[in-house]
Amino acid sequence: GNSVTQMEGPVTLSEEAFLTINCTYTATGYPSLFWYVQYPGEGLQLLLKATKADDKGSNKGFEATYRKETTSFHLEKGSVQVSDSAVYFCALSAHTDKLIFGTGTRLQVFP
Amino acid sequence: EAQVTQNPRYLITVTGKKLTVTCSQNMNHEYMSWYRQDPGLGLRQIYYSMNVEVTDKGDVPEGYKVSRKEKRNFPLILESPSPNQTSLYFCASSLQGYSPLHFGNGTRLTVT
Repeated sequence: GNSVTQMEGPVTLSEEAFLTINCTYTATGYPSLFWYVQYPGEGLQLLLKATKADDKGSNKGFEATYRKETTSFHLEKGSVQVSDSAVYFCALSAHTDKLIFGTGTRLQVFP
Repeated sequence: EAQVTQNPRYLITVTGKKLTVTCSQNMNHEYMSWYRQDPGLGLRQIYYSMNVEVTDKGDVPEGYKVSRKEKRNFPLILESPSPNQTSLYFCASSLQGYSPLHFGNGTRLTVT
């Protein structure tokens, strides 16, 4: 079946460090891929998405590239800020009626 | 402002006492869904609705009920809550099932 695997957290970084959060997926066909972010006390919100192989989603300095050959969609940011501290969820949609989420990765950024 | 509104934000109850968590969206979305979030398990879908009067089970539907009598509302009902339903619950909506979801701010439920 379809599934998403994320690296376990927490990921702890100093401000301005480079961020990578790994995400790999298993799916039939050509799913759409998403990153959602959950700030403390809030619901999830869409951060970026990619709908086909080699697409790069980007938003707020975050990027992720849909790599079909490695079934990956790793999230990166060149210089994190304290305000990026949150839980990040990778998700996929195999164009059915549901999104499948990973377990989430907590990012903590210290000044 | 486009939003999904859940109420209440926090709820503490006792085993067996029926409760309802309300969810309303103002974006005219067709699709609505309920998730529960538990540490180490991520988000798991409870129920979803593709349209008015159409609902279906997600991955963890046991112990829950839903209804979709109007497009904007999708309440989650726990007829006889148990402690294993202590969790953080999210309602979400989208134009279609595989479109990006808009989430409410969550309801933290504690069943003692």
